[in-house]
Amino acid sequence: NAGVTQTPKFQVLKTGQSMTLQCAQDMNHNSMYWYRQDPGMGLRLIYYSASEGTTDKGEVPNGYNVSRLNKREFSLRLESAAPSQTSVYFCASSKVGTGRSNQPQHFGDGTRLSIL
Amino acid sequence: QQPVQSPQAVILREGEDAVINCSSSKALYSVHWYRQKHGEAPVFLMILLKGGEQKGHEKISASFNEKKQQSSLYLTASQLSYSGTYFCGTVQTGANNLFFGTGTRLTVIP
Repeated sequence: NAGVTQTPKFQVLKTGQSMTLQCAQDMNHNSMYWYRQDPGMGLRLIYYSASEGTTDKGEVPNGYNVSRLNKREFSLRLESAAPSQTSVYFCASSKVGTGRSNQPQHFGDGTRLSIL
Repeated sequence: QQPVQSPQAVILREGEDAVINCSSSKALYSVHWYRQKHGEAPVFLMILLKGGEQKGHEKISASFNEKKQQSSLYLTASQLSYSGTYFCGTVQTGANNLFFGTGTRLTVIP
């Protein structure tokens, strides 16, 4: 079982470049999430998609856009990368939304992004 | 809205016990616990829903006191494989998402 697959695993960008991080899950989950993880900060939610066709902002959405392409795929786009966006990005999915449910989130292996 | 975890780091010898605490300033619906090994994805351990339940997973268990807005993770007879960073994630009453703490780094040495 693949679970949650993220591509690429590593990426180096120059300031101002754009790129899209891809995420796909094969567990037939309805909800998907994008987090960033910085040293000493834990995981912070960027955007989430409670179900296909919906997206909402999380704690730190500035500088990012997302697309829920279909039930399986949820992409994160950096339109104009900045050094402050250097981080490890994790995609996660859950059967239904985390609020008022007992469903865990399943994480991908992460994308390590450096912006010079 | 981010929960506070304590301690930030702990070193144990194999066979020793540890407690990791997670507290929130907001009313909570549930608490999630995850473990992350270096360079890997966080892995789900358990969820506690309000009701004061205690759950177990191998020799790892947890409790949730919704009145105090606190949860504790108990690791007994620690093994080398328990090393990693433990995160609590809290779901506030009426909210949709997890807020993660900054983590507790646990190191188990022989």
